[in-house]
Amino acid sequence: GNSVTQMEGPVTLSEEAFLTINCTYTATGYPSLFWYVQYPGEGLQLLLKATKADDKGSNKGFEATYRKETTSFHLEKGSVQVSDSAVYFCALNNAGNNRKLIWGLGTSLAVNP
Amino acid sequence: ETGVTQTPRHLVMGMTNKKSLKCEQHLGHNAMYWYKQSAKKPLELMFVYSLEERVENNSVPSRFSPECPNSSHLFLHLHTLQPEDSALYLCASSQDSPGTEPNTGELFFGEGSRLTVL
Repeated sequence: GNSVTQMEGPVTLSEEAFLTINCTYTATGYPSLFWYVQYPGEGLQLLLKATKADDKGSNKGFEATYRKETTSFHLEKGSVQVSDSAVYFCALNNAGNNRKLIWGLGTSLAVNP
Repeated sequence: ETGVTQTPRHLVMGMTNKKSLKCEQHLGHNAMYWYKQSAKKPLELMFVYSLEERVENNSVPSRFSPECPNSSHLFLHLHTLQPEDSALYLCASSQDSPGTEPNTGELFFGEGSRLTVL
């Protein structure tokens, strides 16, 4: 079946450090891939997405590339800020509708000044 | 108001109480969702309503009862809950067009209702 595996957190970084949060998936066919972010006390919001192989999603300095050969969608940012402290969720959609999003467990990121 | 609004933000209830969670979306979407978020677990989809019709019910215990009176409002009625039901309950909405058109996968979430069952 479909599944998403994220690296376990928490991840703690200093400001301006490089961030990678790993995400790998198992799915048949060609799923769409997503990163959602949940800031403290808030709901989840879409950060970026990619709908086909080799697509790169980007937003707010974050990037992730859809790698079908390694079934991965790792999230990266070159220089994190304290305001990036949040929980990051990787997800996939293989059903053609929004009802079947498959979620990772989430990775907590804390950025220290 | 814009976006997805949930009330109350925090709720403490005893196991014999009856309470309701409310969600309202101002985005013109035609689908609404209830999710349960617990520590160390993936997000659990509980219910989906599309065009006010329940289209998903993921083996949720009957002590949770959803209601969708119109496309902008969604309720979750709670009764005789258990302590293990304590969690963050998230409402979301999206434009749902099942069929040949692929959906964007973008859900718009509210801030959640933090439920504690004593």
